[in-house]
Amino acid sequence: SQKIEQNSEALNIQEGKTATLTCNYTNYSPAYLQWYRQDPGRGPVFLLLIRENEKEKRKERLKVTFDTTLKQSLFHITASQPADSATYLCAPVNQAGTALIFGKGTTLSVSS
Amino acid sequence: DSGVTQTPKHLITATGQRVTLRCSPRSGDLSVYWYQQSLDQGLQFLIQYYNGEERAKGNILERFSAQQFPDLHSELNLSSLELGDSALYFCASSLGTSGGQGNTDTQYFGPGTRLTVL
Repeated sequence: SQKIEQNSEALNIQEGKTATLTCNYTNYSPAYLQWYRQDPGRGPVFLLLIRENEKEKRKERLKVTFDTTLKQSLFHITASQPADSATYLCAPVNQAGTALIFGKGTTLSVSS
Repeated sequence: DSGVTQTPKHLITATGQRVTLRCSPRSGDLSVYWYQQSLDQGLQFLIQYYNGEERAKGNILERFSAQQFPDLHSELNLSSLELGDSALYFCASSLGTSGGQGNTDTQYFGPGTRLTVL
């Protein structure tokens, strides 16, 4: 069955450092992969989408990579700030799919 | 503010009861999705509607049903409620490109309805 795994434990880093979050998937051939941010008690907010033929995508301090050979996506936040503290969800999407299948998320805590 | 509204924000009810959750999508969006989020299961896709028709189904229980109305708002009906149904229920909407098969569509999530079954 399809499986999505994200860093299972909370990730704690110091302000100014780069946070790297991992999303691994199995039994899946996603054509796209989306990353969302979720704050406690609130709905997820879209951050970035990367296609299978794109190795890397950037948006301000965010960078996403997509390695279809390793079946993995990495999500980087550079120069992290306490305001970046949240849970980050990855959602690989199959070619014919529309609904998002989310990983359980990685909770990032950035301390000042 | 995503532009997606959900009512009510909180709902407390008893086992065996039936409730209805309501969602209004962003203006112009044709697709509506329902998700359930519990602490142990994460965010689970339930069902998608596109322009009034069911488009995709996820892990939705038979006790649950949904519909999308001509004005594009959607309702999720949960019946014979059990303790395990306690969760956050999110509605999301998207443009619905390619007849609802647009898998690059950004989904915009509402604030959620927190359901507590006692």
